[in-house]
Amino acid sequence: EAGVTQSPTHLIKTRGQQATLRCSPISGHTSVYWYQQALGLGLQFLLWYDEGEERNRGNFPPRFSGRQFPNYSSELNVNALELEDSALYLCASSDRGNQPQHFGDGTRLSIL
Amino acid sequence: GESVGLHLPTLSVQEGDNSIINCAYSNSASDYFIWYKQESGKGPQFIIDIRSNMDKRQGQRVTVLLNKTVKHLSLQIAATQPGDSAVYFCAELGLSYDKVIFGPGTSLSVIP
Repeated sequence: EAGVTQSPTHLIKTRGQQATLRCSPISGHTSVYWYQQALGLGLQFLLWYDEGEERNRGNFPPRFSGRQFPNYSSELNVNALELEDSALYLCASSDRGNQPQHFGDGTRLSIL
Repeated sequence: GESVGLHLPTLSVQEGDNSIINCAYSNSASDYFIWYKQESGKGPQFIIDIRSNMDKRQGQRVTVLLNKTVKHLSLQIAATQPGDSAVYFCAELGLSYDKVIFGPGTSLSVIP
């Protein structure tokens, strides 16, 4: 069974640009979660999508947004990139809310 | 607010010894806890979980203990191996089961 896959592995952008990160959940999982792992700050919850709807979001500005497609894959979009957006962005999936989340290996976003 | 914290940021153990990683959580109403292992360059990997109706759960070489009285969680790794070197996160599933709240992590280093 394939795990959670994320693309691209690395992404380099400059300030003010927009970034799109992609995630494919484990087959059969309907929930997708996004986390930011910045150096020294641990994992911070960003967004949760389930059945195509945004169910919850963490304490991040509106320029962080996303969506979930009918096949349950998901995109994270970050607009007006700032230097402090440089981080590892992790996607996780689960088959329902009270089951463990399984993570992909992340997208490393670097802002120059 | 809700938070999960770790007592020890770093831990060094001799190969073959047992490791114990501790974690404190603040929300007494939380009822689902997870341990993750994160190796360099990879996403967090699920190790073991425990629900609040249990105080102990065992896996392969790992045991999780939950003490709800003092809001404490621990991960025991038996016969620690070099491959166990990683950062270990305890995590608490939020009350609405919509996100995982991660602690800051403990870096485990195994000395050959």
